[in-house]
Amino acid sequence: DTAVSQTPKYLVTQMGNDKSIKCEQNLGHDTMYWYKQDSKKFLKIMFSYNNKELIINETVPNRFSPKSPDKAHLNLHINSLELGDSAVYFCASSPSPRGNTEAFFGQGTRLTVV
Amino acid sequence: DAKTTQPNSMESNEEEPVHLPCNHSTISGTDYIHWYRQLPSQGPEYVIHGLTSNVNNRMASLAIAEDRKSSTLILHRATLRDAAVYYCILSGYNQAGTALIFGKGTTLSVSS
Repeated sequence: DTAVSQTPKYLVTQMGNDKSIKCEQNLGHDTMYWYKQDSKKFLKIMFSYNNKELIINETVPNRFSPKSPDKAHLNLHINSLELGDSAVYFCASSPSPRGNTEAFFGQGTRLTVV
Repeated sequence: DAKTTQPNSMESNEEEPVHLPCNHSTISGTDYIHWYRQLPSQGPEYVIHGLTSNVNNRMASLAIAEDRKSSTLILHRATLRDAAVYYCILSGYNQAGTALIFGKGTTLSVSS
């Protein structure tokens, strides 16, 4: 069983479209995250949710809206896609948000905006 | 969170031990030292973490200096599969919530 699974794995779309990436974890963790890895391979935290509540919201355009319908799911919706949104997006989860536990990452969603 | 400094790259031969250094001179008392690695085309993978004492697990060992201003990740016998980017990350214990802040990491190459 995959611990943290993301769908889709690849996403190619045109500028201006709206798209969603889904993430599910079956580890029973309380905390979930979205990270973005750009073409230079830098991994940046975007959002974090703990028990469905937003606890970290980095400087991310309003076009990005995370949604956590329950503790096991954290989806990422992106409106009006731009070329600069092309990146690999990683979902992760951890037992708690407090910094003293390990995080598990999904395999990533490679988003290409053309 | 305090910053870490790692070499950009290191090389190793298969079946030899690898010592990956990390400096974190501004570490605070509540900062945990985490190591993650990212294999090509995969998501980051947890390796090990610790606070003050040395730690061992099936993947690696973490040696933490007595003053906690540096640490070393030890891979006891490198394999080709260990070729990856290794990230040393400090994560402070924070009741309000925190997230891993990734730096550039060390790219480890392993030769057969």
